[in-house]
Amino acid sequence: NAGVTQTPKFQVLKTGQSMTLQCAQDMNHNSMYWYRQDPGMGLRLIYYSASEGTTDKGEVPNGYNVSRLNKREFSLRLESAAPSQTSVYFCASQGTGRRASPLHFGNGTRLTVT
Amino acid sequence: DQQVKQNSPSLSVQEGRISILNCDYTNSMFDYFLWYKKYPAEGPTFLISISSIKDKNEDGRFTVFLNKSAKHLSLHIVPSQPGDSAVYFCAAYKNTDKLIFGTGTRLQVFP
Repeated sequence: NAGVTQTPKFQVLKTGQSMTLQCAQDMNHNSMYWYRQDPGMGLRLIYYSASEGTTDKGEVPNGYNVSRLNKREFSLRLESAAPSQTSVYFCASQGTGRRASPLHFGNGTRLTVT
Repeated sequence: DQQVKQNSPSLSVQEGRISILNCDYTNSMFDYFLWYKKYPAEGPTFLISISSIKDKNEDGRFTVFLNKSAKHLSLHIVPSQPGDSAVYFCAAYKNTDKLIFGTGTRLQVFP
């Protein structure tokens, strides 16, 4: 049982380059999320998708775009990477009964922008 | 503006003793609270939760206490084990579906 799968695990970009972080879940969950983790800042929500076809901004959406391709997949795109986007990115999914259903996280993508 | 705060970045506890991790929040609209545990190179995993209508929830060695008047919650681990060494995040929901996380506390349990 894979749960939430994120690719790639590591990535180094130069300033101005673009890339897409991929996330897929096999738990038939409706909701999916992208968080970033930075030292001393905890986990901050970038974007989320309550269901297929819908997306909403979180706390720190600037510089990112997302696509909910289907129920399984939720991708995060950096159009023009900046050093401030150096972080560890986590994707998560959640079933119904929102608050009582915990988030299931992937193992993260460590991104460095030089 | 950090709405969920964990003021202790780290905590060191001897095996077998109690670990107490603290969390404060600023918004009285938060009504559901959770604790997540994170090992290095892995994603966070759910540990325990509590609704604002309760003041205590227990699951094995883990107990979460909620003091709404003080806007404070704590996680007690008794007895602490070396495998409990990890980063612990508290998190809270308010009247939206967005889960807000604290900054995390690194717990180290030593023999």
